[in-house]
Amino acid sequence: GESVGLHLPTLSVQEGDNSIINCAYSNSASDYFIWYKQESGKGPQFIIDIRSNMDKRQGQRVTVLLNKTVKHLSLQIAATQPGDSAVYFCAVVVSGGYQKVTFGIGTKLQVIP
Amino acid sequence: GAVVSQHPSRVICKSGTSVKIECRSLDFQATTMFWYRQFPKQSLMLMATSNEGSKATYEQGVEKDKFLINHASLTLSTLTVTSAHPEDSSFYICSARDVSAGRGGYEQYFGPGTRLTVT
Repeated sequence: GESVGLHLPTLSVQEGDNSIINCAYSNSASDYFIWYKQESGKGPQFIIDIRSNMDKRQGQRVTVLLNKTVKHLSLQIAATQPGDSAVYFCAVVVSGGYQKVTFGIGTKLQVIP
Repeated sequence: GAVVSQHPSRVICKSGTSVKIECRSLDFQATTMFWYRQFPKQSLMLMATSNEGSKATYEQGVEKDKFLINHASLTLSTLTVTSAHPEDSSFYICSARDVSAGRGGYEQYFGPGTRLTVT
C-alpha cells in the first residue's frame, strides 16, 4: 500500500529564515500532491498542491518541489514567520476510485522569534 | 467559499453510549466526504469514504458496525460512534470534495475537527 513519510519530525527555524520540509512517498502512481498546515486543535488547511506533470509550483511565500525520480516532495517557506509554526503534512492522491488522500507523518515547524 | 463545518467541536460521553458527529459543506455540494481520525501527535488516518446516497467504503481495520456513516444529502454526512469506549477518544476530522472545483476535483476541504473524549 501507499506509505508517505517525512525525513524530519521537527524543524526549528529562526524567524526570517527560509524553511524546507521534506517528504518521501512510495507509490509511483501518485499523481497529485498536497501540502497541508495544521494548527493545534484545528483541521488541516490547504497550502499548495502540485500535479505529477510539474516539478515546481510557487505560491505566496511557499514553493513546492517534486522529484518523481526519487519520489520526493518538499515545501519551502520563505521568510518564515511565527504564524507559520504548525505541523505540516504532505499528502498524495492516486487517481482513480475515490481519489483518497493519504497523509504523511507530519513535521512540526517551530519558529524561533 | 468552500467551508466545511463540524458539530459538535467537542464532546464528552460516557463509555457505552453513542455519539453522532455531523459534517456539512456550507457553500458547495459534496458527493464525496471523507472521515479521518487523528491521535495526538500523529497523522490523519482515513477511516471511510462516504458517498451521497450509497454505502460508505471503510478502510481496512475500521469496524463499520462501530463507526456508522450516513451521507443523506449532498451537504451532510454523519459519523456515529456506537458503544463508545475510552480507546475511541480521538480527534475526528471530515473533509469534503467539491467535484465542480478546479484541479480536476482533487482538492478536499477539511472541517475543523471534533474532539471526542470517552470517560
